[in-house]
Amino acid sequence: GQNIDQPTEMTATEGAIVQINCTYQTSGFNGLFWYQQHAGEAPTFLSYNVLDGLEEKGRFSSFLSRSKGYSYLLLKELQMKDSASYLCAGLDSNYQLIWGAGTKLIIKP
Amino acid sequence: SAVISQKPSRDICQRGTSLTIQCQVDSQVTMMFWYRQQPGQSLTLIATANQGSEATYESGFVIDKFPISRPNLTFSTLTVSNMSPEDSSIYLCSVEDDNFGTKVPVATQYFGPGTRLTVL
Repeated sequence: GQNIDQPTEMTATEGAIVQINCTYQTSGFNGLFWYQQHAGEAPTFLSYNVLDGLEEKGRFSSFLSRSKGYSYLLLKELQMKDSASYLCAGLDSNYQLIWGAGTKLIIKP
Repeated sequence: SAVISQKPSRDICQRGTSLTIQCQVDSQVTMMFWYRQQPGQSLTLIATANQGSEATYESGFVIDKFPISRPNLTFSTLTVSNMSPEDSSIYLCSVEDDNFGTKVPVATQYFGPGTRLTVL
């Protein structure tokens, strides 16, 4: 079956760095998305990876290893506004998104 | 990027009644999707709504319970019929488009703000 695993919750300190991991098993693979979802709001697109390596976008970076079925989202210089859930989603061979349950990130001052 | 709106933003309904949720996009899109998200859970796809054809439902979701309309390329509705407390959830519409300037080589989904439904 298809599956996306990510930690349920993580806590980090303002100004620090946090890495949110995601492992995936999909029928075929056409890339991996990360979305941010603040409480009570819609998910918003953060990043997409289809090739191995690190994609940097400001304070946020996303990494993919296709051979390991693994991705991570790296958040630097954490700010209080980064408190949110982070959703990992794999795109399978039918271009259907398989969603993880999300990682709730709590930022402490 | 496109602006996606949903109505209502929230509602409290009685068991056995029906609620229709509207999703409006300010540009024409081919693919629209309806999701359900329960607290602490992943997004669950209910159906894909294509203009000019019947919606395609995922396993566990049926048209009699979740009828969908897609009259044009900017609008869709999802009805939650004969509601029970188990239908209490957030319902999200999303659109798929590759013209939102992200430079992503595949179509990316963008979400409306959601409808928070509570069934008593």
